[in-house]
Order: sequence, then C-alpha cells, then structure tokens
Amino acid sequence: EPEVTQTPSHQVTQMGQEVILRCVPISNHLYFYWYRQILGQKVEFLVSFYNNEISEKSEIFDDQFSVERPDGSNFTLKIRSTKLEDSAMYFCATAGTSGGTYEQYFGPGTRLTVT
Amino acid sequence: AQSVTQPDIHITVSEGASLELRCNYSYGATPYLFWYVQSPGQGLQLLLKYFSGDTLVQGIKGFEAEFKRSQSSFNLRKPSVHWSDAAEYFCAVEGGTNAGKSTFGDGTTLTVKP
Repeated sequence: EPEVTQTPSHQVTQMGQEVILRCVPISNHLYFYWYRQILGQKVEFLVSFYNNEISEKSEIFDDQFSVERPDGSNFTLKIRSTKLEDSAMYFCATAGTSGGTYEQYFGPGTRLTVT
Repeated sequence: AQSVTQPDIHITVSEGASLELRCNYSYGATPYLFWYVQSPGQGLQLLLKYFSGDTLVQGIKGFEAEFKRSQSSFNLRKPSVHWSDAAEYFCAVEGGTNAGKSTFGDGTTLTVKP
C-alpha cells in the first residue's frame, strides 16, 4: 500500500537555527498538510497546501513557518528560527481523490528537538 | 468550526474486559471520522474510519466504532482488551469532501490491568 514518508525521523537543532522537514507524498496526491504534536498533547493542524498555495493555516503557523513543494514532489516545512517551544512531533499528511473521498494519509512523523 | 471531544482523559480496564472510548464531534456536514492509536514516541496508526454507509465500521486489531448522527458520536469499542492495547487513542474529524483539515480530540489514555 502506498505511504507517506518523512525525513528525517529525528532532528536535533539549536535554538535560532533553521530546520527543514521533508515529506514525500503518495503519488498523485494533490492536497498536503502539516500537523504538530507537542509531547503529551493532541495533534494540532498547522497548514494545508493545494495547487502551490496555502489553503488554510492555523494561528500556530506564524511568519517563522513556511511550506513549499520545491521540486514538485517533496513537500517541505521550514522553521526559520527555531524556538524551544517548537520541539514536537511534526506529521505530514497528504490526500487525493479516491471514490470521491479525500482521506488524509499520515506520515510517520519527524521528532524535532530544539535545545 | 469543526471540533472533537473525548470526554475521558484516562481509562483503565482489566485485560479481557470490554472497552468503549467515547468521541463526540461537531461538524456542519457529513463528517469523515477516524480513530487512531499512538504508542509513546510513535506515529499515528489508523484503526478505522467512517465516510458513509453502514454506521458500524470494523477496524484492525478487533476494534469497531459506531457512527450515531443523532448523538454526534463515534464511539470506539472492543469486546476483549489485550495488554498490548495500552496506548493513547485519538478521535478525529476531517473536512470531508472539501479536503479540509483534520481536527483531533485531546486523546484518551488506555491502561490495561493484568
């Protein structure tokens, strides 16, 4: 079964550094999402992306965050200047049309640790 | 706006006992509903999903859930719990036909007593 992949699985960075999290969507999926889960908390929506532009973003997704599909395949989340509170698991999800549904498929996540 | 409520933060059951985890949602149209399970430090594993049709859906690991539109609920059940079922369980609603975002509940932690 096709699956969403994410790299790296774990990223450790120092406060103030830039990080890029990468996601490879399921082939032919056109809708892309990033979610965040702080340790011990629920999964929170960050941003959705379609047709090379942001469809919706949450309050969490401030100017420090950006998303893009640099090569038409990978979908990336960039955090420009990381803060301690950015430490979390970041999940990518992608969706396509299948029988009229847009079911989202989640990747395994990238654990980001900011020190 | 869509929302999900999982009223039980923590549930403890004995191994072999039955289980029901509650989930209530708020969504303006027909929702897509999901249950995920997560072990500590791990990703999300999809247990089951509901899009339409039969309101009783079967999932993996012996789980099932029933969609009740009148109660805005999608409760997860298992007739006999195994020790390996101990984990965090999340209910989620997705924005369906408009490919909208998913909204997750706060989660329910399941502890299984020997």
